Amino acid sequence: GEDVEQSLFLSVREGDSSVINCTYTDSSSTYLYWYKQEPGAGLQLLTYIFSNMDMKQDQRLTVLLNKKDKHLSLRIADTQTGDSAIYFCAQDDGNTPLVFGKGTRLSVIA
Amino acid sequence: DSGVTQTPKHLITATGQRVTLRCSPRSGDLSVYWYQQSLDQGLQFLIQYYNGEERAKGNILERFSAQQFPDLHSELNLSSLELGDSALYFCASSGPTPGTEAFFGQGTRLTVV
Repeated sequence: GEDVEQSLFLSVREGDSSVINCTYTDSSSTYLYWYKQEPGAGLQLLTYIFSNMDMKQDQRLTVLLNKKDKHLSLRIADTQTGDSAIYFCAQDDGNTPLVFGKGTRLSVIA
Repeated sequence: DSGVTQTPKHLITATGQRVTLRCSPRSGDLSVYWYQQSLDQGLQFLIQYYNGEERAKGNILERFSAQQFPDLHSELNLSSLELGDSALYFCASSGPTPGTEAFFGQGTRLTVV
């Protein structure tokens, strides 16, 4: 079945880059998403990438996709304290609802 | 503001009781999804409705049920509640095209005591 794996915790210093990694199992994934959840809030879509792309950049965010290894990463440049949140990777094959990882809790140390 | 409204925001109830969580999707969205978020299980997909019909079913317990009404709002009914049902319940909505963004509500925090 579908599965999405993420490391649970990441701690970085303010101003450094953060890299959050995700592996997925469904090779038919059409879209891969990164969602952000701030404390006490719902999930907010940060960015997504189509499966026929290798990279997508959006301001401080860079998404890299390695389809061969089924590996997705999210790089946040110049990480700020406001980036502290839980980041979820999710896959979508276009036919079934989003499958989420358990989330990576990013802590930014000032 | 995602445009998805969930009520209530918080709910505290006793074991054995029944509660109803409500979700209003974004205007124009036909799909509604329900997810359960707990500390140990992460975000688990429960059920999806599309234009009033059940579209997909995930890890939803038999004690739980949902429906989507003609005005497209949805309700998740949780009955015979147990302590382990305490969690955040999220509703999300999306448009009809596969791969379109799913917008999430703020969630309902259910505490069973």
